[in-house]
Amino acid sequence: GAVVSQHPSRVICKSGTSVKIECRSLDFQATTMFWYRQFPKQSLMLMATSNEGSKATYEQGVEKDKFLINHASLTLSTLTVTSAHPEDSSFYICSATRDTNYGYTFGSGTRLTVV
Amino acid sequence: KNQVEQSPQSLIILEGKNCTLQCNYTVSPFSNLRWYKQDTGRGPVSLTIMTFSENTKSNGRYTATLDADTKQSSLHITASQLSDSASYICVVSDRGSTLGRLYFGRGTQLTVWP
Repeated sequence: GAVVSQHPSRVICKSGTSVKIECRSLDFQATTMFWYRQFPKQSLMLMATSNEGSKATYEQGVEKDKFLINHASLTLSTLTVTSAHPEDSSFYICSATRDTNYGYTFGSGTRLTVV
Repeated sequence: KNQVEQSPQSLIILEGKNCTLQCNYTVSPFSNLRWYKQDTGRGPVSLTIMTFSENTKSNGRYTATLDADTKQSSLHITASQLSDSASYICVVSDRGSTLGRLYFGRGTQLTVWP
């Protein structure tokens, strides 16, 4: 079955530093990848949609200069949280799909803690 | 407004018992409905996916139903196990674009006690 690998699973960083999260589709080529943010006991909130080779489409209210998304290949997308602050602490999840019939596969998530 | 509502918000059952989780949606136009299981601190894992023409889908001890007329779905878990303790999320996709947009419910937190 489709597998999406997300790294790191946990990261603690100091306020003001940047953190990069990787999302890889291991056994399929993902034309589209999605990045979500999830607060405790809340549903996943879509942050942005990225297509390979083009700029990401950000949801309303998501700062594209703060959350940099790169989808350089059909198997890799990265989310960089720039100048992180404690309010950026959250659970970040990626998902990838080849097409709607193929379904959406989620990564295992990254717990970001900014101190 | 496209929304997905799940009930109950949380549920506690004893090991071996059955339970049913509910999902109501207002997403239109409808493409498909998925149930996911999300363990604490992990990403969601797909359980079932149903399109408009399907009204039931099973995956082991999990059985999902869909009534596209009333826009309701349920997830039935039989003979629950401790490992079933997790959040169960209902996700509905629309047909507004080629890829479809996903609408997430807030999940039902299921706890199975020994």
